[in-house]
Amino acid sequence: NAGVTQTPKFQVLKTGQSMTLQCAQDMNHEYMSWYRQDPGMGLRLIHYSVGAGITDQGEVPNGYNVSRSTTEDFPLRLLSAAPSQTSVYFCASSYTGGSGQPQHFGDGTRLSIL
Amino acid sequence: RKEVEQDPGPFNVPEGATVAFNCTYSNSASQSFFWYRQDCRKEPKLLMSVYSSGNEDGRFTAQLNRASQYISLLIRDSKLSDSATYLCVVVSGTGGFKTIFGAGTRLFVKA
Repeated sequence: NAGVTQTPKFQVLKTGQSMTLQCAQDMNHEYMSWYRQDPGMGLRLIHYSVGAGITDQGEVPNGYNVSRSTTEDFPLRLLSAAPSQTSVYFCASSYTGGSGQPQHFGDGTRLSIL
Repeated sequence: RKEVEQDPGPFNVPEGATVAFNCTYSNSASQSFFWYRQDCRKEPKLLMSVYSSGNEDGRFTAQLNRASQYISLLIRDSKLSDSATYLCVVVSGTGGFKTIFGAGTRLFVKA
């Protein structure tokens, strides 16, 4: 079982460049989300989606866009990379977003902005 | 004040020791609670859910005190393989969509 797959695993960008972090899950989960993890701050929710065609903002959405055209895929786009976006990014999914549903995480994407 | 607060540690304990982690949350309407484990440079993985009645999974026991807005994790007979960061997770909001992670507590188990 592939579970949640994130690509790339590592990326270095220059300030101002744009890129898309890919996330795919093969568990037919309705709920998908993106987090960033910075030292000493835990995981912070960027955007989430409760199903295909539906997305919403999390705690730290600025500078990021998402779309959910299929149940399987939930890409995260950085519009104009800034050094403050240097972080580890995790994609997660669960059967639904409802309470009591644990999330399954991808391996993470380590992103550095120079 | 952070919505979910944990003691960052690190906790350094010998093998076989019992260690307890605490977590407090600020939103009294929070609905679900979890403990996740995260190994260095790896993704978080669900350790266990936390219920008001308390629950146990082998050497791990989780407790929830809604009145005090407090969650705990007890690890008995610590193993070297228990060395990791333990994340407290609180879910609230309509449909349970607001998931807040604590910053984590580091545990080192020594031989």
